[in-house]
Amino acid sequence: ETGVTQSPTHLIKTRGQQVTLRCSSQSGHNTVSWYQQALGQGPQFIFQYYREEENGRGNFPPRFSGLQFPNYSSELNVNALELDDSALYLCASSLDRGNEKLFFGSGTQLSVL
Amino acid sequence: GEDVEQSLFLSVREGDSSVINCTYTDSSSTYLYWYKQEPGAGLQLLTYIFSNMDMKQDQRLTVLLNKKDKHLSLRIADTQTGDSAIYFCAESISTLPALTFGSGTRLQVQP
Repeated sequence: ETGVTQSPTHLIKTRGQQVTLRCSSQSGHNTVSWYQQALGQGPQFIFQYYREEENGRGNFPPRFSGLQFPNYSSELNVNALELDDSALYLCASSLDRGNEKLFFGSGTQLSVL
Repeated sequence: GEDVEQSLFLSVREGDSSVINCTYTDSSSTYLYWYKQEPGAGLQLLTYIFSNMDMKQDQRLTVLLNKKDKHLSLRIADTQTGDSAIYFCAESISTLPALTFGSGTRLQVQP
């Protein structure tokens, strides 16, 4: 049990729709990172938020956006969904901006039809 | 090409040792990690090693790092059926707030 919870666990959307995924970090963890894990692949870094500001971004288009709130919760928003967005989306929290210890949630499985 | 590479599959018998290998390309890696992922679950951090270390042991787990060859390995002693999972190697570099993961090695433990 990592203390990081994600909702919903599964989601089905159609192409062109928008989706919001939610994450609740461990209390006291100032940093949240989001990763996309396609089937059979390792997780790919989307972005990181530190104290409610974006602190770094991977190779993902602007239709992937995020928010972090003072109560240790965060959101990943994806606009104009594409079929290739189907994946497991993982949220990870850490005490600070360093990556020494990332605590992952169980993820949200998104299917885009 | 991928920055972190792993073999896809490893099968061992219960009680044997498992060795999972990984190669990485970024010589500025500061930390290297091993994560475990069971079906339907997120990633569990097993262990990590700082780049100036050669070895780290933690109960049944031994991590070996060959920085010259950019090779990392995870040895699991006395492998149990509960160790069956996908194991990911990952590197952290000082210039990015991210981990770069390999594609994972599926470990199957035969009773």
